[in-house]
Amino acid sequence: DAGITQSPRHKVTETGTPVTLRCHQTENHRYMYWYRQDPGHGLRLIHYSYGVKDTDKGEVSDGYSVSRSKTEDFLLTLESATSSQTSVYFCAISRTGYNTEAFFGQGTRLTVV
Amino acid sequence: GESVGLHLPTLSVQEGDNSIINCAYSNSASDYFIWYKQESGKGPQFIIDIRSNMDKRQGQRVTVLLNKTVKHLSLQIAATQPGDSAVYFCAENIPGGTSYGKLTFGQGTILTVHP
Repeated sequence: DAGITQSPRHKVTETGTPVTLRCHQTENHRYMYWYRQDPGHGLRLIHYSYGVKDTDKGEVSDGYSVSRSKTEDFLLTLESATSSQTSVYFCAISRTGYNTEAFFGQGTRLTVV
Repeated sequence: GESVGLHLPTLSVQEGDNSIINCAYSNSASDYFIWYKQESGKGPQFIIDIRSNMDKRQGQRVTVLLNKTVKHLSLQIAATQPGDSAVYFCAENIPGGTSYGKLTFGQGTILTVHP
């Protein structure tokens, strides 16, 4: 398995609270991604990073922010969690950002009550 | 292999049979395709990829076929084993304006292998 660690693996939080999910990689890959996976929607890109301090929005970025201060860490923050953000979140990494496979972490199951 | 609402397409096979999982992709400009396998409670796992200048690519027990005319991708698994039971996703890379292409995933197909 690619060296990707997501933390926490499970979290229950209350509506309106901030939540930060962490993705840590040991592969020194330049590109990192956050996806969410929901029944009926498959995997959808939230945000991605193409280098330290370089990030951009994906297709479902509203309500989320990201930061990448080091190559190995990519943080996803829900500023004020809502029930619609209950989902399984996956981090992925790739060596290049184009025409190459992305390797996924084990996922974080987030429940907003 | 596209889903409707919450109900994913399913494929049930006997151990030892060959499996074919299909995927219709969305964008004729897509130039790179990947198949992923996802087991329950785990992240997607890369199986095989193919570029748009190819029609066929083979891996270990798996073959991917690409038909650009009808925007169709298939994954063939030879001698299917119970350990192959999982959800299989296709993903397409849609060229973007930057160096990053957009990876778009299909809904997935549930493969169940019976001993």
